[in-house]
Amino acid sequence: DILMTQSPSTLSASVGDRVTITCRASQSISSYLAWYQQKPGKAPKLLIYKASNLQSGVPSRFSGSGSGTEFTLTISNLQPDDFATYYCQQYNSYWWTFGQGTKVEIK
Amino acid sequence: EVQLVESGGGLVRPGGSLRLSCAASGFTFNNYAMHWVRQAPGKGLEWVSSMSFIGGSTYYADSVKGRFTISRDSLKKTLHLQMNSLRAEDTAVYYCAKDGSDRPVDYWGQGTLVTVS
Repeated sequence: DILMTQSPSTLSASVGDRVTITCRASQSISSYLAWYQQKPGKAPKLLIYKASNLQSGVPSRFSGSGSGTEFTLTISNLQPDDFATYYCQQYNSYWWTFGQGTKVEIK
Repeated sequence: EVQLVESGGGLVRPGGSLRLSCAASGFTFNNYAMHWVRQAPGKGLEWVSSMSFIGGSTYYADSVKGRFTISRDSLKKTLHLQMNSLRAEDTAVYYCAKDGSDRPVDYWGQGTLVTVS
């Protein structure tokens, strides 16, 4: 299985901050990387797919980059609605794997 | 509007069985692969199983292979997950998800809780 490692596990930030979350794959996944946002008690919400493509309806302050084994999710100008847990996911094959999650907390 | 509505969750004893269903609407069900993803209480997301739209190929996580069976009823536009030999570690919210073709998932259900105790 492809292991996805996210860092940090927890991130404390303030409204207006720029935050970056990193995701590393144990082997190359090309650009088959997605990012999700999840709030307590809710289903995940797709933010980014194919490493850098913004899902329809997602604010442009969210951006993704990377290829191969290293990827980043950047949230510029953090908003109150952005405090949540973020997951990366590889879908290079049908045997998907997710990162362990990054909780973005209010500083 | 795409809707995925899961049902069938509940409390079951270890070793027992449960069948989850996911009623789909708002899209051409036969044209998309479908997936199950679960989340144990307070934990992260774990892919469980997928079923393609062509030929009905099925895929399972090692943690459920041989115990869970994914299937789909094209006429009723429903995805199923038959779960046998359930273990305490299968306790989770199970989400049904629609494949996005060029993206892994574009729609999720609300989830159904399975508790094995």
